This record gives sequence, structure tokens and C-alpha cells, in this order.
Amino acid sequence: EIVMTQSPATLSVSPGERATLSCRASQSVRSNLAWYQQKPGQAPRLLIYGASTRATGIPARFSGSGSGTEFTLTISSLQSEDFAVYYCQQYNNWSPVFGPGTKVDIK
Amino acid sequence: QITLKESGPTLVKPTQTLTLTCTFSGFSLSTSGVGVGWIRQPPGKALEWLALIYWDDDKRYSPSLKSRLTITKDTSKNQVVLTMTNMDPVDTATYYCAHILLYYDILTGYSPGYFDYWGQGTVVTVSS
Repeated sequence: EIVMTQSPATLSVSPGERATLSCRASQSVRSNLAWYQQKPGQAPRLLIYGASTRATGIPARFSGSGSGTEFTLTISSLQSEDFAVYYCQQYNNWSPVFGPGTKVDIK
Repeated sequence: QITLKESGPTLVKPTQTLTLTCTFSGFSLSTSGVGVGWIRQPPGKALEWLALIYWDDDKRYSPSLKSRLTITKDTSKNQVVLTMTNMDPVDTATYYCAHILLYYDILTGYSPGYFDYWGQGTVVTVSS
């Protein structure tokens, strides 16, 4: 089974600053990777699929990059509504596992 | 507009069987490529996928929970049902259902896809 890891576990960022989150797969998942945002008490929301394609309605400040085993989610200028937990998920095989998440909180 | 909603008991006793229903609208599980998945999240922990079912009745299960899970669909009712046997306090979690589309990669073939629409989740507590 592919194992997904994310770093850092917690990222403290000031509003307006850039946030860079990392996701790593234990083996290549090509570009078959999605990112989700989850706020407290809410269901996850799809942000990015195909490693770099924004889902419908997702602001341009969110961008994804990477392929193979190394991926990055960048939030170019953090807004108050972006403080949340972010998960990556691979869908390259029939066990679409999630990473452990990165919490982005206010510095 | 795609919507999904989970329903089921909020409290189950250890060793009991949990039955959850996902009722959806805005899509049909008879449409080629369409699927519904179940994902859970223990309090304060990460997401864990449980099971998938597709329009053609193809079913996939998390290897670690496969022996305890059954997923079925009722296309006429727009519902997907997940049963989990032998419940334990560690199964306490919020359970989500989500819409998924079968994905085709030119090199690796078909794969499950990503979860693009989610229900609000239902909290299940396992306690005697």
C-alpha cells in the first residue's frame, strides 16, 4: 500500500504571507494526487486534482505542483479563511489513501 | 447540483453492526464512471477511506477493514449503504460519503479518482 506523508504537521503563518505545504508518496503516483481543505466542524473540500488543477470555484491563490513522489500545495497570500487542515490523497491505485494532514494556523 | 447526506445511528454498542446510508441527488449511480465512497475521521485525526462502489457495482475496500465492511447501492432510491460489523470504540468517528468519478490514466489504466463532493458527515460513537 502506498503511504502518504505530509510536512510540516503544523505551519504557523501570518495573514498575507505565503504558505508551502509538502506531500510525499512512498512510491510514484504520477500526477494522480488531490488536495483537500478541512475547516473545524466541516467536511473536506476538494482544492486540487491532477496535482495542479484547481477544482471549480477555488481561488487562484491556491496552486499545486509536483509529480511522482513529491508534491507541493502553495497558498500565495494567506487569507483568514485559509486557516485550516490540508490533506493530500493519492488515487493512482485502488487504495486511495490520504496523508496525515498539515494544519495551517495563525502566527 | 450534487448533494449527499449521511444517516444512521449516533450510538452503537461494541460488537454491534453499524449501518449507514448515504442519500444523494444531482447524479445517478447508473451513469458510467460514477461512484460513491465512504471515508471516516476519528476525533482529531486524519481521514481514512473505507469503501467505494461504482455504477457497474464494482466494489473496493480498505485492505485493513475489508473483512468488516460491505457496501451496496440502490440506484432507484439514490442510496448507498455501508455496513461495518463488530464495532469497537476505536471506530468512533465522523463518517462521510462522497461522490467520485472513475479516473483513467493512459499509462496505469483505471483508478478510483478523487472525492469531489462530500456529505456533511455523521458522528458515530461506539460505547457500551
